[in-house]
Amino acid sequence: DAMVIQNPRYQVTQFGKPVTLSCSQTLNHNVMYWYQQKSSQAPKLLFHYYDKDFNNEADTPDNFQSRRPNTSFCFLDIRSPGLGDTAMYLCATSRDLGQGYQTQYFGPGTRLLVL
Amino acid sequence: QKEVEQNSGPLSVPEGAIASLNCTYSDRVSQSFFWYRQYSGKSPELIMSIYSNGDKEDGRFTAQLNKASQYVSLLIRDSQPSDSATYLCAVISNDMRFGAGTRLTVKP
Repeated sequence: DAMVIQNPRYQVTQFGKPVTLSCSQTLNHNVMYWYQQKSSQAPKLLFHYYDKDFNNEADTPDNFQSRRPNTSFCFLDIRSPGLGDTAMYLCATSRDLGQGYQTQYFGPGTRLLVL
Repeated sequence: QKEVEQNSGPLSVPEGAIASLNCTYSDRVSQSFFWYRQYSGKSPELIMSIYSNGDKEDGRFTAQLNKASQYVSLLIRDSQPSDSATYLCAVISNDMRFGAGTRLTVKP
């Protein structure tokens, strides 16, 4: 089945220790997104890739970086996690950016705990 | 003003009743609208998309869109306990923006 996969599902890291979250998709979608969702809050878009074009949200901290080495994979790097970065990190994909193709499909998420 | 607003709830309805969830948005040029369901600790799951004014039905779910009034709603008929979840409204103008969600509880 075509799907969006995230690894790991749970990650515990120490304050300041770099962490990388991964996302892969078999949908062959052009667009991949990373969201941060804290408890009882809306998912917050961090950035997205349209193919190889990187689009950063204006308020995404520099501490968050992303890589998309190929169509199928996208990584979220948190260079120096702080306690406030404890959250669920959601990867999503969409076929394209035009109307009718923007429906986003989410992976299962990675729950990150920073101690 | 938040871009996408939802009543946080909790909204409680008895099993078999109609649950009505509402969402308003601020950007008049928004073109695409979505409802997602999110169970506790899980990721959002797409329920419906709607692009044109009026109603769109899919099984027990009906989405309603009124662009002039800038609101979109979701009706769930014959509510089941398994419908208990947080329902997220999402709106696309440039990027997808989510509301904070309405928590629905369906009581047996």
